[in-house]
Amino acid sequence: DIVMTQTPLSSPVTLGQSASISCRSDQSLLHSDGDTYLSWLQQRPGQPPRLLIYKISNRFSGVPDRFSGSGAGTDFTLKISRVEAEDVGIYYCMQATQFPHTFGQGTKLEIK
Amino acid sequence: EVHLVESGGGLVQPGGSLSLSCAASGFTFRNYWMHWVRQAPGEGLVLVSRINPDGSYTNNADSVKGRFSISRDNAKNTVSLQMDSLRVDDTALYYCVRGASDWIGIDYWGQGILVTVSS
Repeated sequence: DIVMTQTPLSSPVTLGQSASISCRSDQSLLHSDGDTYLSWLQQRPGQPPRLLIYKISNRFSGVPDRFSGSGAGTDFTLKISRVEAEDVGIYYCMQATQFPHTFGQGTKLEIK
Repeated sequence: EVHLVESGGGLVQPGGSLSLSCAASGFTFRNYWMHWVRQAPGEGLVLVSRINPDGSYTNNADSVKGRFSISRDNAKNTVSLQMDSLRVDDTALYYCVRGASDWIGIDYWGQGILVTVSS
Protein backbone atom coordinates (compact mmCIF):
# COMPACT_ATOMS: atom_id res chain seq x y z
CA ASP A 1 0.00 0.00 0.00
CA ILE A 2 1.11 3.56 -0.68
CA VAL A 3 1.97 5.35 2.56
CA MET A 4 0.90 8.98 2.84
CA THR A 5 2.66 11.19 5.38
CA GLN A 6 1.38 14.61 6.36
CA THR A 7 3.18 17.44 8.12
CA PRO A 8 2.57 19.12 10.44
CA LEU A 9 0.16 17.03 12.50
CA SER A 10 -1.13 20.17 14.15
CA SER A 11 -1.25 23.70 12.80
CA PRO A 12 -2.29 26.63 14.99
CA VAL A 13 -3.19 29.58 12.78
CA THR A 14 -4.32 33.16 13.42
CA LEU A 15 -7.62 34.11 11.82
CA GLY A 16 -7.01 35.81 8.49
CA GLN A 17 -3.55 34.31 8.08
CA SER A 18 -2.56 31.44 5.77
CA ALA A 19 -1.90 27.80 6.54
CA SER A 20 -0.03 25.17 4.57
CA ILE A 21 -0.17 21.42 4.93
CA SER A 22 2.27 19.07 3.27
CA CYS A 23 1.64 15.54 2.11
CA ARG A 24 4.27 13.13 0.88
CA SER A 25 3.75 9.70 -0.65
CA ASP A 26 6.31 6.91 -0.55
CA GLN A 27 5.95 6.36 -4.29
CA SER A 28 4.92 8.48 -7.23
CA LEU A 29 1.22 9.15 -7.59
CA LEU A 30 1.48 9.64 -11.36
CA HIS A 31 -1.01 7.20 -12.89
CA SER A 32 -0.35 5.39 -16.16
CA ASP A 33 -3.09 7.52 -17.71
CA GLY A 34 -1.02 10.64 -17.07
CA ASP A 35 -3.08 12.06 -14.22
CA THR A 36 -2.18 12.25 -10.55
CA TYR A 37 -4.98 11.23 -8.22
CA LEU A 38 -4.21 13.18 -5.09
CA SER A 39 -7.13 14.66 -3.18
CA TRP A 40 -7.57 16.77 -0.05
CA LEU A 41 -10.46 16.35 2.36
CA GLN A 42 -11.69 18.41 5.30
CA GLN A 43 -13.36 16.91 8.35
CA ARG A 44 -14.99 19.43 10.63
CA PRO A 45 -15.65 18.35 14.24
CA GLY A 46 -18.49 15.83 14.38
CA GLN A 47 -18.92 15.81 10.60
CA PRO A 48 -18.04 13.34 7.83
CA PRO A 49 -15.14 14.22 5.58
CA ARG A 50 -15.78 16.57 2.68
CA LEU A 51 -13.88 16.65 -0.59
CA LEU A 52 -12.01 19.92 -1.16
CA ILE A 53 -9.46 19.28 -3.92
CA TYR A 54 -9.00 16.52 -6.48
CA LYS A 55 -6.25 15.74 -8.98
CA ILE A 56 -3.79 17.88 -7.02
CA SER A 57 -5.27 21.30 -7.70
CA ASN A 58 -8.91 21.12 -8.79
CA ARG A 59 -11.42 22.59 -6.36
CA PHE A 60 -14.53 20.49 -5.88
CA SER A 61 -18.02 21.95 -6.25
CA GLY A 62 -18.76 24.68 -3.72
CA VAL A 63 -15.24 24.89 -2.29
CA PRO A 64 -14.05 28.48 -1.73
CA ASP A 65 -11.06 29.69 -3.73
CA ARG A 66 -9.21 30.24 -0.43
CA PHE A 67 -8.31 26.55 -0.76
CA SER A 68 -5.64 25.65 -3.27
CA GLY A 69 -3.55 22.59 -4.00
CA SER A 70 -0.22 22.09 -5.67
CA GLY A 71 2.54 19.57 -6.16
CA ALA A 72 3.60 16.67 -8.32
CA GLY A 73 5.03 13.18 -8.07
CA THR A 74 5.39 12.49 -4.36
CA ASP A 75 5.12 15.95 -2.78
CA PHE A 76 1.91 17.91 -2.42
CA THR A 77 0.66 20.97 -0.54
CA LEU A 78 -2.71 22.29 0.53
CA LYS A 79 -2.80 26.03 1.16
CA ILE A 80 -5.61 27.76 3.00
CA SER A 81 -5.57 31.53 2.56
CA ARG A 82 -7.31 33.96 4.93
CA VAL A 83 -8.20 31.26 7.45
CA GLU A 84 -11.70 31.52 8.86
CA ALA A 85 -13.19 30.00 12.02
CA GLU A 86 -15.17 27.48 9.93
CA ASP A 87 -11.90 26.03 8.61
CA VAL A 88 -11.19 24.37 11.96
CA GLY A 89 -10.95 20.62 11.60
CA ILE A 90 -8.75 17.84 10.38
CA TYR A 91 -7.38 17.80 6.86
CA TYR A 92 -6.47 14.59 5.05
CA CYS A 93 -4.67 13.93 1.83
CA MET A 94 -5.71 10.83 -0.07
CA GLN A 95 -4.25 8.98 -3.04
CA ALA A 96 -6.40 7.04 -5.48
CA THR A 97 -3.69 6.23 -8.01
CA GLN A 98 -3.37 2.72 -6.63
CA PHE A 99 -5.79 0.46 -4.76
CA PRO A 100 -6.32 0.59 -1.89
CA HIS A 101 -6.80 4.33 -1.79
CA THR A 102 -4.85 5.48 1.23
CA PHE A 103 -5.04 8.52 3.46
CA GLY A 104 -2.57 10.62 5.36
CA GLN A 105 -2.83 10.55 9.13
CA GLY A 106 -4.49 13.96 9.21
CA THR A 107 -3.49 17.51 10.16
CA LYS A 108 -5.47 19.32 12.81
CA LEU A 109 -6.04 22.97 12.00
CA GLU A 110 -6.84 25.09 15.01
CA ILE A 111 -7.16 28.78 15.68
CA LYS A 112 -4.58 30.46 17.89
CA GLU B 1 -28.47 16.82 -4.32
CA VAL B 2 -26.47 13.69 -3.54
CA HIS B 3 -27.64 11.84 -0.42
CA LEU B 4 -26.08 8.74 1.10
CA VAL B 5 -27.74 7.32 4.20
CA GLU B 6 -26.19 4.41 6.07
CA SER B 7 -28.07 1.99 8.28
CA GLY B 8 -27.60 -1.30 10.08
CA GLY B 9 -24.89 -0.46 12.58
CA GLY B 10 -24.87 -1.40 16.24
CA LEU B 11 -23.23 -3.51 18.92
CA VAL B 12 -22.05 -7.02 18.08
CA GLN B 13 -19.90 -9.56 19.87
CA PRO B 14 -16.50 -10.61 18.54
CA GLY B 15 -16.95 -13.32 15.92
CA GLY B 16 -20.43 -12.07 15.06
CA SER B 17 -21.88 -10.64 11.86
CA LEU B 18 -23.50 -7.41 10.82
CA SER B 19 -24.82 -6.04 7.55
CA LEU B 20 -24.62 -2.37 6.67
CA SER B 21 -26.73 -0.75 4.00
CA CYS B 22 -26.47 2.58 2.20
CA ALA B 23 -29.41 4.19 0.43
CA ALA B 24 -28.39 6.55 -2.34
CA SER B 25 -30.39 9.31 -3.97
CA GLY B 26 -29.90 12.43 -6.04
CA PHE B 27 -27.80 10.84 -8.77
CA THR B 28 -27.86 7.96 -11.28
CA PHE B 29 -26.63 5.30 -8.89
CA ARG B 30 -25.94 2.60 -11.50
CA ASN B 31 -23.24 4.78 -13.11
CA TYR B 32 -20.98 5.11 -10.09
CA TRP B 33 -18.42 3.13 -8.14
CA MET B 34 -19.35 2.92 -4.47
CA HIS B 35 -17.05 2.56 -1.46
CA TRP B 36 -17.06 1.90 2.27
CA VAL B 37 -14.50 3.82 4.33
CA ARG B 38 -14.13 3.42 8.08
CA GLN B 39 -12.77 5.57 10.89
CA ALA B 40 -11.95 4.05 14.25
CA PRO B 41 -12.64 6.32 17.25
CA GLY B 42 -10.14 9.17 17.24
CA GLU B 43 -8.29 7.66 14.30
CA GLY B 44 -7.83 8.30 10.60
CA LEU B 45 -9.58 7.05 7.48
CA VAL B 46 -9.25 3.60 5.94
CA LEU B 47 -10.79 2.37 2.71
CA VAL B 48 -12.47 -0.97 3.36
CA SER B 49 -14.18 -2.01 0.16
CA ARG B 50 -15.36 -0.81 -3.24
CA ILE B 51 -17.63 -2.06 -6.03
CA ASN B 52 -17.88 -1.10 -9.66
CA PRO B 53 -21.07 0.31 -11.24
CA ASP B 54 -22.62 -2.97 -12.40
CA GLY B 55 -21.50 -4.96 -9.37
CA SER B 56 -19.25 -7.34 -11.32
CA TYR B 57 -16.00 -6.26 -9.68
CA THR B 58 -15.06 -5.66 -6.07
CA ASN B 59 -11.93 -4.87 -4.07
CA ASN B 60 -11.37 -5.30 -0.36
CA ALA B 61 -8.61 -4.07 1.90
CA ASP B 62 -6.29 -6.81 3.15
CA SER B 63 -7.50 -6.28 6.72
CA VAL B 64 -11.04 -7.41 5.80
CA LYS B 65 -10.40 -9.91 3.00
CA GLY B 66 -12.36 -13.11 3.49
CA ARG B 67 -14.53 -11.47 6.17
CA PHE B 68 -16.28 -8.52 4.51
CA SER B 69 -18.25 -8.55 1.27
CA ILE B 70 -19.63 -5.58 -0.66
CA SER B 71 -22.64 -5.80 -2.97
CA ARG B 72 -25.15 -3.51 -4.63
CA ASP B 73 -28.70 -3.45 -5.93
CA ASN B 74 -28.97 -0.95 -8.76
CA ALA B 75 -32.75 -1.37 -8.90
CA LYS B 76 -33.02 -0.20 -5.29
CA ASN B 77 -30.10 2.26 -5.32
CA THR B 78 -28.44 0.55 -2.38
CA VAL B 79 -24.98 -0.72 -1.56
CA SER B 80 -24.35 -3.14 1.27
CA LEU B 81 -21.44 -4.36 3.34
CA GLN B 82 -21.72 -7.81 4.88
CA MET B 83 -19.31 -8.10 7.78
CA ASP B 84 -18.55 -11.53 9.21
CA SER B 85 -16.08 -12.79 11.82
CA LEU B 86 -16.01 -9.33 13.34
CA ARG B 87 -13.10 -8.35 15.56
CA VAL B 88 -12.73 -5.71 18.23
CA ASP B 89 -10.51 -3.70 15.89
CA ASP B 90 -13.37 -3.47 13.36
CA THR B 91 -15.03 -1.00 15.73
CA ALA B 92 -15.43 2.20 13.74
CA LEU B 93 -17.69 4.69 12.09
CA TYR B 94 -18.43 3.29 8.62
CA TYR B 95 -19.00 5.75 5.78
CA CYS B 96 -20.69 5.08 2.46
CA VAL B 97 -18.81 7.07 -0.18
CA ARG B 98 -19.49 7.68 -3.85
CA GLY B 99 -16.81 7.26 -6.45
CA ALA B 100 -16.06 10.28 -8.60
CA SER B 101 -17.42 10.34 -12.11
CA ASP B 102 -14.69 12.08 -14.06
CA TRP B 103 -11.56 11.04 -12.21
CA ILE B 104 -10.33 8.17 -10.06
CA GLY B 105 -11.25 8.93 -6.49
CA ILE B 106 -14.18 9.62 -4.22
CA ASP B 107 -16.42 12.62 -3.75
CA TYR B 108 -19.62 12.53 -1.64
CA TRP B 109 -19.79 10.98 1.84
CA GLY B 110 -22.67 9.76 3.98
CA GLN B 111 -22.97 10.75 7.64
CA GLY B 112 -21.62 7.39 8.79
CA ILE B 113 -22.90 4.56 10.96
CA LEU B 114 -21.26 3.25 14.10
CA VAL B 115 -20.26 -0.39 14.45
CA THR B 116 -19.08 -1.50 17.88
CA VAL B 117 -17.54 -4.93 18.36
CA SER B 118 -17.33 -5.79 22.03
CA SER B 119 -18.10 -8.58 24.44
